[in-house]
Amino acid sequence: AQSVTQLDSHVSVSEGTPVLLRCNYSSSYSPSLFWYVQHPNKGLQLLLKYTSAATLVKGINGFEAEFKKSETSFHLTKPSAHMSDAAEYFCVVSDLNNNDMRFGAGTRLTVKP
Amino acid sequence: DSGVTQTPKHLITATGQRVTLRCSPRSGDLSVYWYQQSLDQGLQFLIQYYNGEERAKGNILERFSAQQFPDLHSELNLSSLELGDSALYFCASSVGGLMNTEAFFGQGTRLTVV
Repeated sequence: AQSVTQLDSHVSVSEGTPVLLRCNYSSSYSPSLFWYVQHPNKGLQLLLKYTSAATLVKGINGFEAEFKKSETSFHLTKPSAHMSDAAEYFCVVSDLNNNDMRFGAGTRLTVKP
Repeated sequence: DSGVTQTPKHLITATGQRVTLRCSPRSGDLSVYWYQQSLDQGLQFLIQYYNGEERAKGNILERFSAQQFPDLHSELNLSSLELGDSALYFCASSVGGLMNTEAFFGQGTRLTVV
């Protein structure tokens, strides 16, 4: 069965500095990988997804993630953090043989002025 | 706005009671998924329906049940409620039956059991 580990429960950055949210996955088959964002009191919104096409995936709001099979990682990055990026971020794995998505525990991103 | 509608937004009820949460998927989406989000368990997959039939089951308690109706809306029924059932319940929908396609989430129903 697939699983995902988000390596940091909380990341704090200053506005204008780079963001790195780390995610490692485990999957028996070719996985699909997603990053979702959840703003306070809101539902989850898809940031980006990897489904076996290009390994560098660009998403909304300037975020991107790189699929590295050798490292079983799918880290989320952004060159310059904005105050509006403060939220909870979830890394998600799904494979072709399962109907459920496995969510990581989430990483809370704080952006300081 | 994701296009997925959940009602009610908030629900407060007593232990031992039964509640029904409702979800209307995006237009054209055949799959509906239910998730529970709590502080100690994180986001847990409960159950999935595809075009009216149960497709996959996750960590759903026997006290909980769900169904998807011919118009594709879904209801999650929670009975014999316990304090530990207090959580945010999310519904998501997608076009196909496999969740490696994009899923759209509703804003959730916050259930408080007192």
